Amino acid sequence: EPEVTQTPSHQVTQMGQEVILRCVPISNHLYFYWYRQILGQKVEFLVSFYNNEISEKSEIFDDQFSVERPDGSNFTLKIRSTKLEDSAMYFCASRDFGTGGNEQFFGPGTRLTVL
Amino acid sequence: AQSVTQPDIHITVSEGASLELRCNYSYGATPYLFWYVQSPGQGLQLLLKYFSGDTLVQGIKGFEAEFKRSQSSFNLRKPSVHWSDAAEYFCAVGGAGNNRKLIWGLGTSLAVNP
Repeated sequence: EPEVTQTPSHQVTQMGQEVILRCVPISNHLYFYWYRQILGQKVEFLVSFYNNEISEKSEIFDDQFSVERPDGSNFTLKIRSTKLEDSAMYFCASRDFGTGGNEQFFGPGTRLTVL
Repeated sequence: AQSVTQPDIHITVSEGASLELRCNYSYGATPYLFWYVQSPGQGLQLLLKYFSGDTLVQGIKGFEAEFKRSQSSFNLRKPSVHWSDAAEYFCAVGGAGNNRKLIWGLGTSLAVNP
């Protein structure tokens, strides 16, 4: 069964460093998402991506964040200069195109720890 | 404002007992409603969804949920819980637009006693 994969599973970085979180969505899906979950808090929407551009972003997704689909299979989230408060679990999701309540398929997440 | 409330942070049930996890939502448009489950070290797996039609929806692993528009609720139920059901359960709401970002509840952690 196709699945969304994410690497690495755990990333530890120093404050101020750049990190890139990688995701491989399901191959025929067209919509891509990043969410994050700070420990003990709700899962929060960060950004959605369709047709090689951002379709919506939350207020969390400031200039320090960027997304890219560099090669037609990977979908990356870059944080340019990490802060302590960026420590969280980051989930990637993808969705097929179509009407109806199409579900988002989630990866296992990347736990980012900023020291 | 759009929001999802899961009033129960943690629930413990005995194996074989029935289960109901509560979810209330606030959403301006017609909602799509979802329940996801997360086991330790795993991703978020869809249990079931409601889009339209029959307000009682069946999902995987013997779960069901009932959409009650008048109560803005989408409670998850299972008649007989198995030890393997111990996990974190998340209720989420999304819209019908192209973006369909999900708004999440805080989650309910389910423990199952043998």
